Amino acid sequence: AQSVTQLDSHVSVSEGTPVLLRCNYSSSYSPSLFWYVQHPNKGLQLLLKYTSAATLVKGINGFEAEFKKSETSFHLTKPSAHMSDAAEYFCVVSGASGGSYIPTFGRGTSLIVHP
Amino acid sequence: DSGVTQTPKHLITATGQRVTLRCSPRSGDLSVYWYQQSLDQGLQFLIQYYNGEERAKGNILERFSAQQFPDLHSELNLSSLELGDSALYFCASSVDWTGNQPQHFGDGTRLSIL
Repeated sequence: AQSVTQLDSHVSVSEGTPVLLRCNYSSSYSPSLFWYVQHPNKGLQLLLKYTSAATLVKGINGFEAEFKKSETSFHLTKPSAHMSDAAEYFCVVSGASGGSYIPTFGRGTSLIVHP
Repeated sequence: DSGVTQTPKHLITATGQRVTLRCSPRSGDLSVYWYQQSLDQGLQFLIQYYNGEERAKGNILERFSAQQFPDLHSELNLSSLELGDSALYFCASSVDWTGNQPQHFGDGTRLSIL
């Protein structure tokens, strides 16, 4: 079985300050991990993915995430927040797990950016 | 633009009715996923099709059914609608069925049951 926990339901930052969105996962196999972003009234958009290559993954819009197997974490970071980053962020674990290939989504973290 | 098209964008209907949601996947993608998103339940996986065959089933009610056609578009049928079915329904497509490739999401169909 696989699971994913996003540790914060809301994160509030000021524009220009760093962003950290935390994600822990559980998987019996070597998983694929993804971060998606959802802006209001829109579908989810892929930010980045990890598939057992480099542990530091760079994504779009200046985001990156580090895969830490020992901590079963895949936290999303950005050095400097922009107002346009305000959105809902989803961490996803996927891949073979007990014969299932269904992606498992976290509950989401709402990123609030203050001017 | 994800390349995934969902129609209609909005649907308002009454309890007990039946509706059909449509999804055209991104060109070249063979796998289609359906999700339900609501405030209390978050994003729930409903069902997955790959190249016309049902591949995986999630928390899909018996009142709901889906299919993928030879041209790879998919339809989600919701019947005997209840107030609790009000939600945003997303379709996503992917190149294969493994879950190791990214999914490309449509903008969703917002279903409101009155």
